[in-house]
Amino acid sequence: KAGVTQTPRYLIKTRGQQVTLSCSPISGHRSVSWYQQTPGQGLQFLFEYFSETQRNKGNFPGRFSGRQFSNSRSEMNVSTLELGDSALYLCASSFVGSETQYFGPGTRLLVL
Amino acid sequence: SQELEQSPQSLIVQEGKNLTINCTSSKTLYGLYWYKQKYGEGLIFLMMLQKGGEEKSHEKITAKLDEKKQQSSLHITASQPSHAGIYLCGADSTGTASKLTFGTGTRLQVTL
Repeated sequence: KAGVTQTPRYLIKTRGQQVTLSCSPISGHRSVSWYQQTPGQGLQFLFEYFSETQRNKGNFPGRFSGRQFSNSRSEMNVSTLELGDSALYLCASSFVGSETQYFGPGTRLLVL
Repeated sequence: SQELEQSPQSLIVQEGKNLTINCTSSKTLYGLYWYKQKYGEGLIFLMMLQKGGEEKSHEKITAKLDEKKQQSSLHITASQPSHAGIYLCGADSTGTASKLTFGTGTRLQVTL
């Protein structure tokens, strides 16, 4: 089976712009979670989607949003980018009933 | 909220030496996950522990969850350069395993 894929792998944006990141889960997985990783804050949970519904949410401002499609693919959007949004964004998928999340390679976002 | 503390923060060992990484939780764990990350890349799943006293091994890596389910240790026997990377412990705080809280990570270097 193919692993979790994320696109794009690298992205450079300027402050005030918005960005959309994409995640394709492992085939058959219906839960997709998003995480932000920075040197200062480490790896932090953003949100989780299951069956097109947000099931869990972390402590991030409303500028961070996401959605999930009927094929379980997920996107996350960050509006009005700030310098502090520069990070590695990771998504992870899991099969319903399984306790293990499998991570994608991440999208590295640089905000200038 | 649940907090995870990892120690040590970094470790340099000579090839062939054994090492242990610890992960301590502020709360009882539903499940404890160990991942490995190469710098700037995605997380590779190593092991998941749920029951107090549980111990799992994969190749030269062994992880254990203590009886009270608040501390886990990861032990590598006869380290190799391929073991180098960042080791992260993650705690399941919701029982759904889709929202993980991560420790700060332990950076491991293996010298020849």
